[in-house]
Amino acid sequence: DTGVSQNPRHKITKRGQNVTFRCDPISEHNRLYWYRQTLGQGPEFLTYFQNEAQLEKSRLLSDRFSAERPKGSFSTLEIQRTEQGDSAMYLCASSLTRAYRDPQETQYFGPGTRLLVL
Amino acid sequence: QQPVQSPQAVILREGEDAVINCSSSKALYSVHWYRQKHGEAPVFLMILLKGGEQKGHEKISASFNEKKQQSSLYLTASQLSYSGTYFCGTAVTNNFGNEKLTFGTGTRLTIIP
Repeated sequence: DTGVSQNPRHKITKRGQNVTFRCDPISEHNRLYWYRQTLGQGPEFLTYFQNEAQLEKSRLLSDRFSAERPKGSFSTLEIQRTEQGDSAMYLCASSLTRAYRDPQETQYFGPGTRLLVL
Repeated sequence: QQPVQSPQAVILREGEDAVINCSSSKALYSVHWYRQKHGEAPVFLMILLKGGEQKGHEKISASFNEKKQQSSLYLTASQLSYSGTYFCGTAVTNNFGNEKLTFGTGTRLTIIP
């Protein structure tokens, strides 16, 4: 099975520390999305990449957050100086689109990285 | 603005039917339905495009009323495996050409034997 994978699956850190998460999308998927999900809520959009270009960022993404997708393959999401409010599940999704606006674009989610900031 | 889902939770006996609704205050381009089990990734169920399209997937189907900006998910003859939290993700027309999804708060479905 070559679905979306994320590492680590769980991360516990102390407030003020930096953390980095990795997402490996489905092979050949050109779009990659990051979402954040808190308990009892639906996923919230953070940012997205078209190949290696980061094309949109949510206002939720403060300056402490940075994401990269070098070479248009895997992506990393880094949180600097973590705060307790950063505790959440961070989900990655990928999709394959063949047009600028593909009405059939389907996002496939990975299992997520659960972050707990103490 | 987050779409509103109703009901928030529902408990069914195996074999019963359920309807989950999703309403948006914005003009929608598409509606995506996902099911998420505890501790797992959301799993894609179906996508509906504007135009009143109704799609089916075995005993799970959905409709999209473009005029009302509403979508409904229909689960018939529910099975134990249908348990989980159902999310609608809505996409609006934007200038970025992507399907940035705004998800509702979810509907928790519990199926009991």
